[in-house]
Amino acid sequence: DAGVTQSPTHLIKTRGQQVTLRCSPKSGHDTVSWYQQALGQGPQFIFQYYEEEERQRGNFPDRFSGHQFPNYSSELNVNALLLGDSALYLCASSLRLAGGLKETQYFGPGTRLLVL
Amino acid sequence: KQEVTQIPAALSVPEGENLVLNCSFTDSAIYNLQWFRQDPGKGLTSLLLIQSSQREQTSGRLNASLDKSSGRSTLYIAASQPGDSATYLCAVSGSGYSTLTFGKGTMLLVSP
Repeated sequence: DAGVTQSPTHLIKTRGQQVTLRCSPKSGHDTVSWYQQALGQGPQFIFQYYEEEERQRGNFPDRFSGHQFPNYSSELNVNALLLGDSALYLCASSLRLAGGLKETQYFGPGTRLLVL
Repeated sequence: KQEVTQIPAALSVPEGENLVLNCSFTDSAIYNLQWFRQDPGKGLTSLLLIQSSQREQTSGRLNASLDKSSGRSTLYIAASQPGDSATYLCAVSGSGYSTLTFGKGTMLLVSP
């Protein structure tokens, strides 16, 4: 059973460019959340997708956008990259039940983005 | 706004020591609390999850406690090993549908 997978593993971009990161959730999961982890910091929530819609959003500008596909996979897009966008981007998947999320969110290995 | 603080930021111990990592949160209205492990440059591995109605959870040499009313949790690691070296992150969820709010982590180094 494959866990959460993310691609690419590493990415180097220059300021002003656009980037797309991809995530495939754990088999059976339908909810995908994205987090940004700057060096030496804890992960910060970007947004969450369920049923192909953005359900919750953290304190991130509109330059950060996403998408969820019918197969539950998801993309994170960042436009007009800034140096401060350099970070590890983590995807987490879970299963939404009637009473709430499944207990544990499973995290992928992350995509390391470097903006020069 | 929920804030999570972890103390100490870094910890270095010799192999075999028992140790305690601390986590505090400002809003006691949590759904659950999780402890994660993160190896350098890697993703997160869930270690223990404590529901708001629970007081503690145990897995092998790890024991996590939760005092929701005081906004505190501790992760106890018994008989530490060099393989325990990693960053340990504490995260809380405000509701069943909400997302995780993380602390900055405690970087642990266990030397042989």
